[in-house]
Order: sequence, then C-alpha cells, then structure tokens
Amino acid sequence: GAVVSQHPSRVICKSGTSVKIECRSLDFQATTMFWYRQFPKQSLMLMATSNEGSKATYEQGVEKDKFLINHASLTLSTLTVTSAHPEDSSFYICSARENTALYGYTFGSGTRLTVV
Amino acid sequence: GENVEQHPSTLSVQEGDSAVIKCTYSDSASNYFPWYKQELGKGPQLIIDIRSNVGEKKDQRIAVTLNKTAKHFSLHITETQPEDSAVYFCAAAGSQGNLIFGKGTKLSVKP
Repeated sequence: GAVVSQHPSRVICKSGTSVKIECRSLDFQATTMFWYRQFPKQSLMLMATSNEGSKATYEQGVEKDKFLINHASLTLSTLTVTSAHPEDSSFYICSARENTALYGYTFGSGTRLTVV
Repeated sequence: GENVEQHPSTLSVQEGDSAVIKCTYSDSASNYFPWYKQELGKGPQLIIDIRSNVGEKKDQRIAVTLNKTAKHFSLHITETQPEDSAVYFCAAAGSQGNLIFGKGTKLSVKP
C-alpha cells in the first residue's frame, strides 16, 4: 500500500533556530500534501495544503512566514519551522494524497518537535 | 467550512463489549468519512472509511454507518479487545479535499 516516510521522528532544538521536517511518498506521487499540528490530547489541526509546484494555502491563524512549506516534487514535501519558540513544540504530521486516488489520504508517522 | 463534532470524548468498556463513537458534520457537500486510530506518539492509522453513496460498511469487528440526511456517522467496534485501546478520530473531507477531524475519543478496554 501507499507509504509516506516522515523524518525526523523526534527533534529537540533551541529557541530561535529553524527545523526542517520531511515527508516522502515512497510508492506514489503525492499531488497534494496536507500538514497538520497536534498538541497533547488534542485533535489534528490543519495548518496548510500544498499542491506540487504551487504555493501552499495556509489556514487562518497559521503564519506562512514562520511555517515554510516546499512541495517542489511529487514525492517530497518539507515543512520548516523558522525561529522556533517553545510554543511551537507540538506533534507535526503530514498527509499525502495522489491525484488519481480521490480519497486516498496517507499519513506520515509524525514528528515530535520540542523547542527548549 | 466543515465542522466535525465527535462524542464521547472518553469511553471505557469491558473486554468483549461493544463500543460506539458518534460524529456529526456540518457541510452537506462532504462525501468521504474516514475513521482513524491513533496510538501514543504515532500518526493516525486508517481503520475504516465510508463514502456518501453507501449507508453502512463492515470490516470484521469494525463497522461504520452513515446517515446523510441527519449528517451523522458512527463507528461500531464489537467484541472489543485491550489492543483496541487508543484514541479514535472521525473525519470528513471538506470542499478543498482536506480532512477535517473531530476532537477524538479515548477508548479504554478493560481486561
């Protein structure tokens, strides 16, 4: 079946630094990538949607200059948290969808980001 | 936009009993409703899904029902086992194709 590889699984960084999270679709072309953030004991909140080769569409309240999304290829999308602060500490999860699989959403395993 | 409500937030059952989790959605144009199981520290795992052209779907101990008129759908787990303990999320596909999630249900199955 479809697999999305997300790395790193855990990362600890200092305040003010940037962190990049990668999601790769291993056996399909991820036409659309969704990025979610999940705080402890809460649900998944959509941050942004990106289509390959296009600028990402951000949800209300999500700073596009802070959460940089690159979806330059059909198999790779990255989320960079810039100038991270402790309040950015969260579980970040990507979800990829292939254009031909109208409802096939494949989730990555998530990245636990801790900003100290 | 789409809004998904999920109940209950916590559910505790005895091993072997059934568990039912209910969700309602607001956007009548939504036509895809997946259910996910999430274990601690992991990404969500699809356990069953249903499209709007059917009213019920079963997969062994798991079933999902959909009432489009009332805009609600439910997850039914029969013969629960301790390994079913996890957080379960319902979701609905919004008009942008993105999934909108309910707030989750923490299911505890006591041996």
